[in-house]
Amino acid sequence: GAGVSQSPSNKVTEKGKDVELRCDPISGHTALYWYRQSLGQGLEFLIYFQGNSAPDKSGLPSDRFSAERTGGSVSTLTIQRTQQEDSAVYLCASSRDGNPQETQYFGPGTRLLVL
Amino acid sequence: GESVGLHLPTLSVQEGDNSIINCAYSNSASDYFIWYKQESGKGPQFIIDIRSNMDKRQGQRVTVLLNKTVKHLSLQIAATQPGDSAVYFCAENMGTSYDKVIFGPGTSLSVIP
Repeated sequence: GAGVSQSPSNKVTEKGKDVELRCDPISGHTALYWYRQSLGQGLEFLIYFQGNSAPDKSGLPSDRFSAERTGGSVSTLTIQRTQQEDSAVYLCASSRDGNPQETQYFGPGTRLLVL
Repeated sequence: GESVGLHLPTLSVQEGDNSIINCAYSNSASDYFIWYKQESGKGPQFIIDIRSNMDKRQGQRVTVLLNKTVKHLSLQIAATQPGDSAVYFCAENMGTSYDKVIFGPGTSLSVIP
């Protein structure tokens, strides 16, 4: 595709339920990133993938959060037993490789609301 | 801890005027800086970047200035247009092997027609 896509665009769930967010990076991009953006706040780094491996998981807020990437392409971010404080916009970005000088291209985000 | 912050959380400018958005960073080891623009309901969009071996870089209607002495970054937008209304984020990249970018909280720019 032409850009990074994310699905769903919006998700409303009840507290305690699990949710799965999907990210399709730009074709050929080996690096993929997940960020969380709370209302009126900056971006909080969650996790980074280089290929299918995640060398840095330090940003995941708790063990309820997990992410995987298969085939070096699509990535899913799973939040188990969602809490109200998980409500935020979850942004995915990809870059050509993990070179620090490579531009990250962002998707439109998934807006998660936990009731 | 290390952080990137913005001096002005909101900024209103008249259409046609120049805008200046400021940013302070605290990590002297950062060697790459980026400005992103985020319009309502969209993901951040790359505007311009600058490496630490430069102090100025120009793009189309935008200029980024880097002052490493005082760890200050600014984004100048010439002849601001209504389409420039958005939240602007500065970000620093510490050039680690896994390419972690630290974003500031953002400045909301409103252009008054």
